[in-house]
Amino acid sequence: QVQLQESGPGLVKPSQTLSLTCTVSGGSINSGDYYWSWIRQHPGKGLEWIGYIYSSGTTYYNPSLKSRVTISVDTSKNQFSLNLNSVTAADTAMYYCARDLSPMVWNHWGQGTLVTVSS
Amino acid sequence: QSALTQPASVSGSPGQSITISCTGTSSDIRVYNYVSWYQQHPGKAPKLMIYEVNNRPSGVPDRFSGSKSGNTASLTISGLQAEDEADYYCSSYSSSSILVFGGGTKLTVL
Repeated sequence: QVQLQESGPGLVKPSQTLSLTCTVSGGSINSGDYYWSWIRQHPGKGLEWIGYIYSSGTTYYNPSLKSRVTISVDTSKNQFSLNLNSVTAADTAMYYCARDLSPMVWNHWGQGTLVTVSS
Repeated sequence: QSALTQPASVSGSPGQSITISCTGTSSDIRVYNYVSWYQQHPGKAPKLMIYEVNNRPSGVPDRFSGSKSGNTASLTISGLQAEDEADYYCSSYSSSSILVFGGGTKLTVL
């Protein structure tokens, strides 16, 4: 059973870069045709898809965040990462990493990590 | 403001059936059979309940069902149980944004 775990700083200053890592266990990140995604949830609000990296390395981002987002993968560590630059308070959210059942349908989620943007 | 519109709250008594609607546009729900529903308990990650309009992942009770008509998708929970009390979110492919979510519906079991 695949498991995902997010890690990274819980506090980021405005204008800096938010960097998170998702460690995958119970399966290889480059086996199978999976989309590895980042999704966030603002406090008390709904979900927002950020982007994904496919097992081939192809990435796709939410157009509303595309200019600030980079998702990458480190197969040697069985991890994938999120970088979101030029953050503001509006980027304060719970950040989840997830793996799909079928494209853009996620049946494996990390527990989430809360990131606060504040000086 | 979310791309898909859900009622803020619904409620029902144990054993009853409830339906949660999810209204989109001609750019998402109407044209794609890729509607999903997630259940989220407080402090927990979302859990997939329905995908591709009416498919249940293994382990999801058959009390949960999905449907779609026009711009609106629906999640129906029959035989309501106390543990069904949670927030529910719909999602759909979108021609403009790849994937969009609803704002969420809080289900209260009375």
